[in-house]
Formats: sequence, C-alpha cells, structure tokens
Amino acid sequence: GDSVTQMEGPVTLSEEAFLTINCTYTATGYPSLFWYVQYPGEGLQLLLKATKADDKGSNKGFEATYRKETTSFHLEKGSVQVSDSAVYFCALPIQAGGTSYGKLTFGQGTILTVHP
Amino acid sequence: ETGVTQSPTHLIKTRGQQVTLRCSSQSGHNTVSWYQQALGQGPQFIFQYYREEENGRGNFPPRFSGLQFPNYSSELNVNALELDDSALYLCASSPRQGARETQYFGPGTRLLVL
Repeated sequence: GDSVTQMEGPVTLSEEAFLTINCTYTATGYPSLFWYVQYPGEGLQLLLKATKADDKGSNKGFEATYRKETTSFHLEKGSVQVSDSAVYFCALPIQAGGTSYGKLTFGQGTILTVHP
Repeated sequence: ETGVTQSPTHLIKTRGQQVTLRCSSQSGHNTVSWYQQALGQGPQFIFQYYREEENGRGNFPPRFSGLQFPNYSSELNVNALELDDSALYLCASSPRQGARETQYFGPGTRLLVL
C-alpha cells in the first residue's frame, strides 16, 4: 500500500547549518506530496507541498522537489534558525478503490533541534 | 478567516468511559478528517466526513464514531475508552474532497485515559 518513509531522527544542528530531511514514498500514480511541521504543544501546519513530478515546493526558506525517478521528496533549508526546532512530517494522500478520499498517511516524523 | 478550532484542549477520562471531541472546520471547508497521534508517532487517519456522510475510514474499531453537521463542524466519539486511546486527536478540514487538497489542522485535543 501507499506509504512514506522518513529518515531516522532526531537531528541536531547549530544555527545557520544546512538541513536535509529525507523522505521517500511508495504510491500508485503521482500523488501530491506534503511536508507538515509541528511546533511543541501545537497541531500540524502545512509547510509546503508539490502536486506533480519535478515541482518544487517552498516556504519560509524550506524547499522540497518532487522526484518521481527516485520516489523522493527531501526537505532542505540552507540556513536553519533556532525557531525551526520542531517535528517535521512527510505525508501523501491515499487513493483507495478508485476514490480520492484525501486522507493522509504520514511518516514517523523527524525531530529537529537547532542550537544557537 | 478563522482557522480550524477544537474543543476541549485537554481531557482526562477513566477506562471504560465515553468521550466526545468537537471540531469547527475552517470557513468554506466541507470536508473534515480526524487523526490520532500517539506520543512520538505520526498522525494516524481515523475517518473523514464529507457533506455529513462518512467517507473513508482507517484501521480503527467501531467504538470510534463521528458526525458532521450541516455547518460542516464535526464530532468524534469514542466509547469504552482504553488506556491506549491516550493521544492527541487532530481534526483537519479541506475546501473539497480529493487527494490533492491541502488539509488544514486544528491544535488538537489531548486525551489522557487513566
């Protein structure tokens, strides 16, 4: 079935370091792909998305490119800040029985901690 | 524009009790989904409601049930609570039904079952 695999975590970086969080997926067809972020004690916020192959989603300095050849959607940021400390989830919608339910399946999450 | 809101924010129940969680969808959104997020895990899909009908269900037992109202707000009901039901329950709404639609999440209700 459709699934998402994220890199093992947690990730600890110093401020201004480069960030990569890996995400690979298994899916039928070419679904939209999403990155969500969860700050401590809060719900999930959409960080960025890509709706078709080779699309690049970007927001707040974060980027991710939808690569169908490698079935990947890795999250990157050139210079992280302390305020980026959060849990990051890769997600994709599931299609079942030919119907687009729009439910999301999430990776296990990657905890990012950025130190000053 | 008001985002997705949930109530209550925190709740403590004992095993065997019943609980109702509430969600108000974002203005103009007609699809609501519920997720369970156990500590340290990614959210797990419970079910989705579209125009007051259940439209897709994850791997959760029938004691998890829901409703959607004409104003698109929604309730999640859990009967016969078990210790493993302790989790953050997230509600998400989207403008339309569909795999490409972005879902917008509320802050969640944290349920503790003792």
